[in-house]
Amino acid sequence: SYVLTQPPSVSVAPGKTAKITCGGNDIGSKNVHWYQQKPGQAPVLVIYYASDRPSGIPERFSGSSSWNTATLTISRVEAGDEADYYCQVWDSSGDQSYVFGTGTKVTVL
Amino acid sequence: QVQLMESGGGVVQPGRSLRLSCAVSGFIFSNYAMHWVRQAPGKGLEWVAVISNDGSNKYHADSVKGRFTISRDNSKNTLSLQMNSLRVEDTAVYYCARQPLGYYFDYWGQGSLVTVSS
Repeated sequence: SYVLTQPPSVSVAPGKTAKITCGGNDIGSKNVHWYQQKPGQAPVLVIYYASDRPSGIPERFSGSSSWNTATLTISRVEAGDEADYYCQVWDSSGDQSYVFGTGTKVTVL
Repeated sequence: QVQLMESGGGVVQPGRSLRLSCAVSGFIFSNYAMHWVRQAPGKGLEWVAVISNDGSNKYHADSVKGRFTISRDNSKNTLSLQMNSLRVEDTAVYYCARQPLGYYFDYWGQGSLVTVSS
């Protein structure tokens, strides 16, 4: 089955830039989506199709994908961005398999 | 506005059954495929099952195949998950989620906690 690997944690100072990676075999050929989850809350879609933002998501959130790595970038980080972040793809090689990454905890220093 | 509301969670003994429901509003339910996604305590997200907009196609993760069944009633705007032969490792918060055009999830419910324990 397809595996998506994320760093367990990323720390960033307010106002700086956080980059969260998502590694997977040839992930650049897949559609990658990103979710933000704050403690005790449901996930929220922040990026879809690698780089598109849903309405209401700040422009500070951006995404990219190439070869074996997809990246979620949070610019000008704010305290409210502290959360867990998950990447997700659809694995067409399996039987309708929706795969999530292992998750990254972003801590704002 | 789009709303999804799960219900039916609780504490159940191993081997027993439980049925979760997800009531939706704010959109045309019959136009969308729907999913269940779960999250064990302190762990990451795990996809559980998907059902097509008309209910004709259903797929389940290998971890629940043969034990869980996803279904929907478009006349009642309700998604369901029948969970049989529950195991301790099925303990999790279960979310229902909507799939727009594209293989991702644009709206999620608040979740329903299922605890499997003797």
